[in-house]
Amino acid sequence: AQTVTQSQPEMSVQEAETVTLSCTYDTSESDYYLFWYKQPPSRQMILVIRQEAYKQQNATENRFSVNFQKAAKSFSLKISDSQLGDAAMYFCAYRNPVEIAGNMLTFGGGTRLMVKP
Amino acid sequence: NAGVTQTPKFRVLKTGQSMTLLCAQDMNHEYMYWYRQDPGMGLRLIHYSVGEGTTAKGEVPDGYNVSRLKKQNFLLGLESAAPSQTSVYFCASSYPTLDRVGANVLTFGAGSRLTVL
Repeated sequence: AQTVTQSQPEMSVQEAETVTLSCTYDTSESDYYLFWYKQPPSRQMILVIRQEAYKQQNATENRFSVNFQKAAKSFSLKISDSQLGDAAMYFCAYRNPVEIAGNMLTFGGGTRLMVKP
Repeated sequence: NAGVTQTPKFRVLKTGQSMTLLCAQDMNHEYMYWYRQDPGMGLRLIHYSVGEGTTAKGEVPDGYNVSRLKKQNFLLGLESAAPSQTSVYFCASSYPTLDRVGANVLTFGAGSRLTVL
């Protein structure tokens, strides 16, 4: 079974600074999908960014970017110019390719990000 | 608004009572999932369904049952609630990841907080 590990239970960053959240995963598949989800106090799961394993180029979405290292099975999230609204729980997630029954999402344990004004 | 709707949002049960959580989606998604979220453990898959009339066990299925009688609905049942089932429950839905362009993202409901005394 696939596993996803987030080794930082909590992180803090000063407003306007940059922070990187770490994620590693374990899989024997070559084609899969990786995601970062944000969960603010409202509990709603919000997709931040996604990466398809067959693409070598790192995904970017405005202030959010990833460092995808396929050989190392590492998928870190960089938040630039941090804003107070970025404070939330962040979950790294791995999705099986469709060939695996259920095509489900496996989550890491989460990293709580605090942003200091 | 299109999306995933969970009812109820909050519920308090006594040990041994039964209840059903309802998940409804209006996006014509084939796949539906039930997750539970506990502190430090991320979201763990309880059961999933790849189509109307089909269900399968996820990572933590014990104590839960599910049904998918209609494509748009996925019900999660607790026959005899236990304090260990105190958690926040999330339903999600998606298309299978056949479409590399877009249809590989899960859409989540807002969560249901269940407390078992």
